[in-house]
Amino acid sequence: NAGVMQNPRHLVRRRGQEARLRCSPMKGHSHVYWYRQLPEEGLKFMVYLQKENIIDESGMPKERFSAEFPKEGPSILRIQQVVRGDSAAYFCASSPKGSETQYFGPGTRLLVL
Amino acid sequence: DQQVKQNSPSLSVQEGRISILNCDYTNSMFDYFLWYKKYPAEGPTFLISISSIKDKNEDGRFTVFLNKSAKHLSLHIVPSQPGDSAVYFCAASGTSYDKVIFGPGTSLSVIP
Repeated sequence: NAGVMQNPRHLVRRRGQEARLRCSPMKGHSHVYWYRQLPEEGLKFMVYLQKENIIDESGMPKERFSAEFPKEGPSILRIQQVVRGDSAAYFCASSPKGSETQYFGPGTRLLVL
Repeated sequence: DQQVKQNSPSLSVQEGRISILNCDYTNSMFDYFLWYKKYPAEGPTFLISISSIKDKNEDGRFTVFLNKSAKHLSLHIVPSQPGDSAVYFCAASGTSYDKVIFGPGTSLSVIP
């Protein structure tokens, strides 16, 4: 019974490149959430998705960031034209329908050079 | 505008004593509260939660108390153990499926 999986665990990109972060929710979980943790800060909500639907993206920067959770496959957080300020730990969480408790993956640490 | 506050960035406690971590919130629409524990380089781990219809929830060494009128909750760990040393995040949610708002965290050190 695997937990939430995220890959890669570490990602290094140069300014202007694209970053793709993947999240596979726990088996049976249909809700996925993405959070960002900047150095020395807490977790900040970015986006909440269900299969093929974005439910709440109020925490997503308006430009360069996008997220999807297709019918098949993992959820993807995509950052285009990365800048140094995007360097952070990005955590994915999932929950089953009807539960308020979210279970987190190990995170992807993005470093933009 | 921080809706969930943890005013103590760090806390040190002797092994065997009680650890009390505090959390305040501003949004009266929150009705579900969670505590997560996080070790370095790992994702947060769910610890314990409480619904607004309760004022106390207990799970082993961990107890969460909720004071709705004061918009305050606390996590008690007793007895504290060195393995409890981690960052503890208080979190709050409005309704099922809603996003969870996290506090900035309190770093707990349990000294042997």
